[in-house]
Amino acid sequence: QVQLLQSGAEVKEPGASVKVSCQASGYTLSDYHMHWVRQAPGQGLQWMGILNVSSGFSTYAQIFEGRITMTRDTSTNTVYMTLSSLTSEDTAVYFCARDTIGGELAERAFDIWGQGTMITVA
Amino acid sequence: SYDLTQPPSVSVSPGQTARITCSGDALPKKYAYWYQQKLGQVPLMVISKDTQRPSGIPERFSGSSSGTTVTLTITGVQAEDEADYYCQSIDRNGDYVLFGGGTKLTVL
Repeated sequence: QVQLLQSGAEVKEPGASVKVSCQASGYTLSDYHMHWVRQAPGQGLQWMGILNVSSGFSTYAQIFEGRITMTRDTSTNTVYMTLSSLTSEDTAVYFCARDTIGGELAERAFDIWGQGTMITVA
Repeated sequence: SYDLTQPPSVSVSPGQTARITCSGDALPKKYAYWYQQKLGQVPLMVISKDTQRPSGIPERFSGSSSGTTVTLTITGVQAEDEADYYCQSIDRNGDYVLFGGGTKLTVL
């Protein structure tokens, strides 16, 4: 069964950084690209970026450039998203989401989602 | 910037047909996807590549495309279909993912 298991909720102070993990099971992590999407309370979905898990190369949404990093550890089937210089506007649920197709190309759509990680900045 | 525009809300009675639109300039050349998100749950893809229904999605969900507008149609709406629905596509260069603002479907 393909699953993505994310780390638990965190509370951070303004200006701090947060690192969220997403551990994959039921498939080979490096076979699929991974995205990060966030959702502020009562708001819509916002795409943050995509990680080519095989190569380690990332593309980030422009709004997050300079303060986001996506990494992976294939030995533990885990991807990470680090967001720095947090403000109250970063309070949201953060999701990892697997791309729909495997291989070198990404469809840039999502078939499997993690359960979400609530990050509160206060 | 390039946006995807959805109506904030749609309301229908059980058994009726719900149509949710999503407009964007690049939609004639880029696929659209639809996700259903029920309260407190993670999103679920209900339509892929404009018109395809993923495995396990009921037949009452369908998608269509015409020019700069894509439409999610739910035929014979059921109470369990009450949710937020998001369209999703990519920018003209194919690098960035875009989401519509979401449409709250209320089943009266």
